[in-house]
Amino acid sequence: IAGITQAPTSQILAAGRRMTLRCTQDMRHNAMYWYRQDLGLGLRLIHYSNTAGTTGKGEVPDGYSVSRANTDDFPLTLASAVPSQTSVYFCATSTTPGTDTQYFGPGTRLTVL
Amino acid sequence: GQNIDQPTEMTATEGAIVQINCTYQTSGFNGLFWYQQHAGEAPTFLSYNVLDGLEEKGRFSSFLSRSKGYSYLLLKELQMKDSASYLCAAWDSNYQLIWGAGTKLIIKP
Repeated sequence: IAGITQAPTSQILAAGRRMTLRCTQDMRHNAMYWYRQDLGLGLRLIHYSNTAGTTGKGEVPDGYSVSRANTDDFPLTLASAVPSQTSVYFCATSTTPGTDTQYFGPGTRLTVL
Repeated sequence: GQNIDQPTEMTATEGAIVQINCTYQTSGFNGLFWYQQHAGEAPTFLSYNVLDGLEEKGRFSSFLSRSKGYSYLLLKELQMKDSASYLCAAWDSNYQLIWGAGTKLIIKP
């Protein structure tokens, strides 16, 4: 593993289904973030984790949940997907929370029909 | 409210210079980032400014004026590979990044 990996690369999902997007890092960064990116809008923060065992809500958390059982993994779950959750999802990490540079994974393109 | 404004699209010629502007309004300010994002790829870090002035990194420079809530990214000696979106993002007082929608830069031969 080199850096940040996300899985799947892309997914088409029926509305109402449950889906977990995976994010794994090998950089031993403390902070991790989930963003969604929609055309014409800036990246929007969904949830974040400043360190293993803690999570927090970002700007658009409704319909999403996260967990941070260890340093490396930060999965994002859509409990019951809706079409408005169609987006590109990016996981990011930083050495520490706060003003450190954030590094991004390759993204997951999710389509909810 | 909090807001980041940058032009939607710009066009420039290979070998030329282009300046991409960004204005921000945030509750507090703790620094500003510029990222590059090629189509279908992840954003990658270009620069970070927290103090007023110009930061130069090779062909790319970034400027910040905190009193004016203004930054720009200057790209010199443009190459075709510089065709990408450029994202401006500012830290607010809660240490959350507020992102602009990005400026799509088109380079013509």
